[in-house]
Amino acid sequence: GQQLNQSPQSMFIQEGEDVSMNCTSSSIFNTWLWYKQDPGEGPVLLIALYKAGELTSNGRLTAQFGITRKDSFLNISASIPSDVGIYFCAGPTHGGATNKLIFGTGTLLAVQP
Amino acid sequence: KAGVTQTPRYLIKTRGQQVTLSCSPISGHRSVSWYQQTPGQGLQFLFEYFSETQRNKGNFPGRFSGRQFSNSRSEMNVSTLELGDSALYLCASSLGDLPSYRKRNEKLFFGSGTQLSVL
Repeated sequence: GQQLNQSPQSMFIQEGEDVSMNCTSSSIFNTWLWYKQDPGEGPVLLIALYKAGELTSNGRLTAQFGITRKDSFLNISASIPSDVGIYFCAGPTHGGATNKLIFGTGTLLAVQP
Repeated sequence: KAGVTQTPRYLIKTRGQQVTLSCSPISGHRSVSWYQQTPGQGLQFLFEYFSETQRNKGNFPGRFSGRQFSNSRSEMNVSTLELGDSALYLCASSLGDLPSYRKRNEKLFFGSGTQLSVL
């Protein structure tokens, strides 16, 4: 079945550093989503990508939809302590009008002030 | 505008018992999805309801069931609980009949979840 692999699994960085993480799939996705989950909360959508090659920003966050449609990247610039959390990529399964998403394995981000 | 509300926040049950979790979507949202989150398996789709009808179902045993009421509120039930059912159960809601990700201005909003522990 469809699987999303994220890397790295975890990152421990200093405040102010830039962060890069990626998500790869064995099959094509037509939409890529990036979510952030704070401790004890549900995921919150950060960025949605709808077209191969698309580059979208949301404040200090930038995400790209890979040309092959099998990968996506998320960059965070000038990290701050509140960026701490787990970042997930996600994509919809093929076919049907549903909100059935496949989520990646997650990247845990820790930011040292 | 109130967010997605899930109750209870925490629940402790023993093996063999059954449990019912509740989800109130954002006002006006008609689609409710349920996900299970565990450290080992991550976030996995359980099922989705739209206008009181199950629209899609994940690969979970029949012990997991759900329903949606006319006011869009949803419940999920797990019968004959097993230790492996310990997880954070997340509910998410979205506006309408198109999947939320297909509309650039529409999002899937998650609740804070119900943390279920099975002893």
